[in-house]
Amino acid sequence: DQQVKQNSPSLSVQEGRISILNCDYTNSMFDYFLWYKKYPAEGPTFLISISSIKDKNEDGRFTVFLNKSAKHLSLHIVPSQPGDSAVYFCAASYTGNQFYFGTGTSLTVIP
Amino acid sequence: ETGVTQTPRHLVMGMTNKKSLKCEQHLGHNAMYWYKQSAKKPLELMFVYNFKEQTENNSVPSRFSPECPNSSHLFLHLHTLQPEDSALYLCASSGPSGATSLSSYNEQFFGPGTRLTVL
Repeated sequence: DQQVKQNSPSLSVQEGRISILNCDYTNSMFDYFLWYKKYPAEGPTFLISISSIKDKNEDGRFTVFLNKSAKHLSLHIVPSQPGDSAVYFCAASYTGNQFYFGTGTSLTVIP
Repeated sequence: ETGVTQTPRHLVMGMTNKKSLKCEQHLGHNAMYWYKQSAKKPLELMFVYNFKEQTENNSVPSRFSPECPNSSHLFLHLHTLQPEDSALYLCASSGPSGATSLSSYNEQFFGPGTRLTVL
């Protein structure tokens, strides 16, 4: 059973607008969440994380929001740039060693 | 070389072949991981090593055999694979700690992956 779900396989956004990528999880034990970005022919690279004691974490153009009651997190990219076009994975953990990943959302930023 | 490297980047093998995937990390981490990524599926964790000791084996078939001779190197030995094993195999590392407390969470650094095709 998939514990981390990204229900939107793809998303297209105009350059300069906001991109919102969503992620849902089922395991209430998860207490640490991450977003990874993946370009073709490369491995995923870490983007931003949040622990369950917070509901928001910001790093430049990237902000992650966590809604524990809804078991939902989202990644906001503002403003979106063409170089942000990639596949974005969310991941969750409660052991520190094992991360559960979603299936990814492919973001296309249109110039 | 920096970060996490994987070789080969692409591999085509028959079902009777034996091959090995190699991963090397230059980050001073002490935890290393093998993941499998199949099309339209989430990354599946296969094996975890902490300080060269295997700590996780997520019900992976015995035709996949990991080896971790030291904290910087990780191998995945393959034999008698099936076509459904065709996937992208990703190696990752994290560190310095693999403990369970919140303060020890470390994001994982991934290699570029090996695209495996089993004929």
